[in-house]
Parts: sequence; structure tokens; C-alpha cells
Amino acid sequence: DAGVIQSPRHEVTEMGQEVTLRCKPISGHNSLFWYRQTMMRGLELLIYFNNNVPIDDSGMPEDRFSAKMPNASFSTLKIQPSEPRDSAVYFCASSFFSYNEQFFGPGTRLTVL
Amino acid sequence: AQTVTQSQPEMSVQEAETVTLSCTYDTSENNYYLFWYKQPPSRQMILVIRQEAYKQQNATENRFSVNFQKAAKSFSLKISDSQLGDTAMYFCAFINNNAGNMLTFGGGTRLMVKP
Repeated sequence: DAGVIQSPRHEVTEMGQEVTLRCKPISGHNSLFWYRQTMMRGLELLIYFNNNVPIDDSGMPEDRFSAKMPNASFSTLKIQPSEPRDSAVYFCASSFFSYNEQFFGPGTRLTVL
Repeated sequence: AQTVTQSQPEMSVQEAETVTLSCTYDTSENNYYLFWYKQPPSRQMILVIRQEAYKQQNATENRFSVNFQKAAKSFSLKISDSQLGDTAMYFCAFINNNAGNMLTFGGGTRLMVKP
């Protein structure tokens, strides 16, 4: 298996622009998670899905952030409009519910100028 | 709410030596899982080891082992025969069966293995 795939690996954009991050979970996994990692706040869970349904989005910082999972093999995290304080590494992870451990993608480093 | 605490922000160890990273957690649950993740400079999050709370035997994966003290809510990671490739951030994480699959992470310990 190729593992969790994220794209792009790096994104540099200007304040106010829309940013879309993409994730393909491991085939067969039924839970998907979006995390943000910064020096100041460490790893934060933004949102997670079970069987494509959002279960908890309490970690989503503002209405500028939205996430979708239209099918079992694809999810997006969108920031519109982006701000410099959104600069961080965004991780996607997936798991098979019964086994708990989460497998992480390589992350997307987002820089908002 | 669950909390995970790693009290050592940074540690260093000489190559081939043994090092222990500390982790404590707080929960009122009885069924849960604990994990150690490694994040090298490449920033990839890699699962190192997992422990089920109902198991008394400490988990072991090659040079990595844990000391799980359930009553004390302690879950330390021991790395034996440290290698330069072990240099990374190490995160302790907790999940309980009643909270879906939500991981709670500690703040991390930065480990430097010196030649």
C-alpha cells in the first residue's frame, strides 16, 4: 500500500487566496483526520470523519476552514481566504476504526505571505 | 477530558547508549490505547510502538520498549542502543475507545543522538 497520500507537499500563497489541501487515505480505512502542526500549539486535531461523515469539527479554527470527504478515498481541507497565521504543516491521517492507530501522510507545508 | 504530558522538552544521548522518554496521562477511562510516534526532520509521523491498557505486558519493538504503569498513568519509552537515525521529535499519544478514534498528543520531546 502506498500509505496516506497528501498533495501538494508545499504550498506558498498570498494572503486572501484560497488554498485547497488534498488527502487520499489508505484503502480500507474508514476514519480520516486532519491535523495542523505549529511550533506554538503543537499538533492540533482540526476535524475527523468516520465513514465519510464529519464527526467532530470542533478543532476547526474559523469559518474560513472547511473540510469535505465526498468518498472513502478522498478528502479536502480548504482555507478561504487564507491568512499568514494559517502557515503551518497540515497532516492527514487515516485509520481502521477497530485498530485505532493512525497512519499519517507526509504533510503539506503551507506558507501564507 | 484526557491530557497527555511530556515533561522533557529536549533530551540528548550518546550513540549506542540507552535513553528513556517520559509520558504521563490523565483519564478516567479504563479501556484505552497508548502510542509513541516519532517525527524525524523529514516531518513524517511514524508509529513507533503501541500499548493496549488491558495488557499488563509491556510492548516491545526491537530496540524500543515501554514501561507502562497503569496505576501511575505513566507510559515511558526506552530506546536501547541509540542510533543517529533515532534523532527526532517523539510524541506520546492516547486514545480511548469511548471517544471514537481521537488521538490526544503530548507536547513532544526532542531527542538528539550524538555521535
